[in-house]
This record gives sequence, structure tokens and C-alpha cells, in this order.
Amino acid sequence: RKEVEQDPGPFNVPEGATVAFNCTYSNSASQSFFWYRQDCRKEPKLLMSVYSSGNEDGRFTAQLNRASQYISLLIRDSKLSDSATYLCVVNVLHSNYQLIWGAGTKLIIKP
Amino acid sequence: GAVVSQHPSRVICKSGTSVKIECRSLDFQATTMFWYRQFPKKSLMLMATSNEGSKATYEQGVEKDKFLINHASLTLSTLTVTSAHPEDSSFYICSAFGTGEPLYGYTFGSGTRLTVV
Repeated sequence: RKEVEQDPGPFNVPEGATVAFNCTYSNSASQSFFWYRQDCRKEPKLLMSVYSSGNEDGRFTAQLNRASQYISLLIRDSKLSDSATYLCVVNVLHSNYQLIWGAGTKLIIKP
Repeated sequence: GAVVSQHPSRVICKSGTSVKIECRSLDFQATTMFWYRQFPKKSLMLMATSNEGSKATYEQGVEKDKFLINHASLTLSTLTVTSAHPEDSSFYICSAFGTGEPLYGYTFGSGTRLTVV
């Protein structure tokens, strides 16, 4: 079983729609959680950290469920520019700050 | 904000030659540097982790004699791909982790696309 699992997609979504991704992690010692976005042939860029209480940044909402060991990302009012691959990332306690990466979910926003 | 400068962005080399990739942290001290490799349509794969002044820790399956990592200072880490082969063609990305002001967290270089012909 992969340490961090995501549905690879692609998710084909019309512009303006709401889309949600889930990600599950296997290591209960995971302590920090992030969503990154990666555009084709570019480096990943931090989209947002995920906090236990859930957090929102504009059209993006992240949730963490420690009991079930999953993280979610919700994008409201999707824009064409949201098309990218979204990577779920966790950091495990005592791992020398190493990040464990999901394989990513590809999102395509259609006009 | 914190920036990691990675060079070169693209390199084409002949099979059997060596290529050096540099990552410099600007405006902060990178206590830990992570080196990743990404093949098309695949996730980032961690190759090695290096802490300033000490030997890098390589992930299983990554040859330490082939991928030489040097992290001699808090602002510079290098990855040298020695005796490159076509199967080494990939996107290599560094990620610096630093603590303290003005940074806490991970900053990525812009990546190096290596093509071995």
C-alpha cells in the first residue's frame, strides 16, 4: 500500500463548478499535511497547509480527518487557471523533515 | 519570500558524461536539502536527503556513486549525475528546508530537465 494515495484522475470539470479531491495516508505518525499544485513541466508550488481544524483560503478549503487518515481539498467556482495536478503531501514525525508525496490528481477545467 | 535558485534549467548531454546541478538558497539557510526526480506523468520520487556538512542519505535503489550530492554550505547543494545514461533523463528538483525567520518550510527550485542522448 502506498503511503499517500490519491485518485490520479483526470477530473474533467466545467468552469464554475465545485470539485473535491481526497487523499489518504497510511502512517499514523504523519504530523503535517499540505496540498501542492504542479503545472506541467514545472516545480510543485505550495497551495496550502492543512490544519486539524480545517482551513480556507479564498476558493480553496482543506480538511483533515486524523481518525480516518484522510485529507481533502475543495475548490469552489473553479477557473480555467485551476487546471493542474494537485499533490497531497505529508510529513512524518522524526523523518528529518522528509515529505511523502502522493502521485497527484490531475484536474482539467473546461470552458 | 524565500527563493531557491536551481541551475541549469535544461541540459542535454552525451551518454557517459557527467552533469552538475546546483541549488542555492537565497535569503535563508537551507539546513536540509531534498533531491527529487520526476519522470513524465509520475510523482516526485525522493532520491536523497542531505544536511549541511554531512553525507547525504540516499533512498533505496538510488546509487550514491552515480548521484553525488554535496551540501557543503547552508546556501549551496549540488547533485552530480555521473556517467549519465539515457535512462537518467528526467526532471530533477531540489527542495530546501530551513528553519527560523524569515522562513519555515520547504522551498523548491525550478527544476532541471536533463536529457541524455
